[in-house]
Amino acid sequence: EADIYQTPRYLVIGTGKKITLECSQTMGHDKMYWYQQDPGMELHLIHYSYGVNSTEKGDLSSESTVSRIRTEHFPLTLESARPSHTSQYLCASTGQGRTPLHFGNGTRLTVT
Amino acid sequence: GENVEQHPSTLSVQEGDSAVIKCTYSDSASNYFPWYKQELGKRPQLIIDIRSNVGEKKDQRIAVTLNKTAKHFSLHITETQPEDSAVYFCAASIRWGGKLIFGQGTELSVKP
Repeated sequence: EADIYQTPRYLVIGTGKKITLECSQTMGHDKMYWYQQDPGMELHLIHYSYGVNSTEKGDLSSESTVSRIRTEHFPLTLESARPSHTSQYLCASTGQGRTPLHFGNGTRLTVT
Repeated sequence: GENVEQHPSTLSVQEGDSAVIKCTYSDSASNYFPWYKQELGKRPQLIIDIRSNVGEKKDQRIAVTLNKTAKHFSLHITETQPEDSAVYFCAASIRWGGKLIFGQGTELSVKP
């Protein structure tokens, strides 16, 4: 089924660890986004990409980095996790024409 | 950059009543305005959207109105039901498929 997949669904790690949150979509979309959201709260855009080898920072400052080597894959990396990074991270994508933004199920990250 | 303000932050109504959520945006170049519904623990889902060349759009019990001059748009839900209880987010973008900037969210509670 065409969808956007995020792994892991939940992650608990210690301070200082390097982590990568995975996001892949099978919908053929060219644009992909990362949003950070505390439960039930505002969605903050932290990174986006309009195509392969194109990435931009969003409106919310983030210590994370992203890469876009393949159209379907848009991983987010935290080099050194801190408790302030505890949040939910939502990946989303959209395509050409009148394609709405479609979200993945998110990764709930807890940094202890 | 774009800024989207959403009100109210919480809204409680009786089943069968109407609910209205309002948003204002800052960038006059914005021309795409979607609304997302997020149930507890789930991903945001698009429920309705409108483009700037349209003043109103309706889909069964849900309608959205847009006033480009005043830079505000509203979500109207009629005959509310308990399953309408969720957090609703408005958003704005300068183009369909472009990055979406979200409002702060409205937690709607429909009491049976």
